Amino acid sequence: GAVVSQHPSRVICKSGTSVKIECRSLDFQATTMFWYRQFPKQSLMLMATSNEGSKATYEQGVEKDKFLINHASLTLSTLTVTSAHPEDSSFYICSARDSGGMADTQYFGPGTRLTVL
Amino acid sequence: ILNVEQSPQSLHVQEGDSTNFTCSFPSSNFYALHWYRWETAKSPEALFVMTLNGDEKKKGRISATLNTKEGYSYLYIKGSQPEDSATYLCAPTYGGSQGNLIFGKGTKLSVKP
Repeated sequence: GAVVSQHPSRVICKSGTSVKIECRSLDFQATTMFWYRQFPKQSLMLMATSNEGSKATYEQGVEKDKFLINHASLTLSTLTVTSAHPEDSSFYICSARDSGGMADTQYFGPGTRLTVL
Repeated sequence: ILNVEQSPQSLHVQEGDSTNFTCSFPSSNFYALHWYRWETAKSPEALFVMTLNGDEKKKGRISATLNTKEGYSYLYIKGSQPEDSATYLCAPTYGGSQGNLIFGKGTKLSVKP
């Protein structure tokens, strides 16, 4: 099946620093990738949709200047949390839509646990 | 804001028991219903995608049904095994094939040997 990797799996950083998370589709091309966030005991919430070669589409309430998304190739999207604060501590997970498969199938990475001190 | 409810929140069963859980969602403008299986420290794994009212899908001991008119889906596991222990997520989409997944909070299943 389609495999999506995510790196790093866990990161701890100091308040005010920036953190970059990578999401890669390993065996398929993904025109569209998605970034989700999950707070404790809550559901996965879509933050933004990342489109290869164009600007990301952000969901309401998600600051585009704080969560920078780059989708420079068909297999890689990155999420950079800029000037991270303790309230940004969360579980971030990406998914990729298989451009060559069923249009509505998303394959997920294993997620990144971010802790901001 | 679309509200997707999953029940129960958690479930503990013995190996060999059969179990089922529910996903309820708004039916207006519904397009598809996805079920995912998410083991700890792994990636969520796609189980089923269903679109039509009355759809039934099966994968080994796991099956799912869909009622789009009343807005619910059931997931059944027959003869639960410890390796079935995971969180099961449902996510409807709306408005077409490009609609975003709207996740419920999941049902956490623990199967004791």
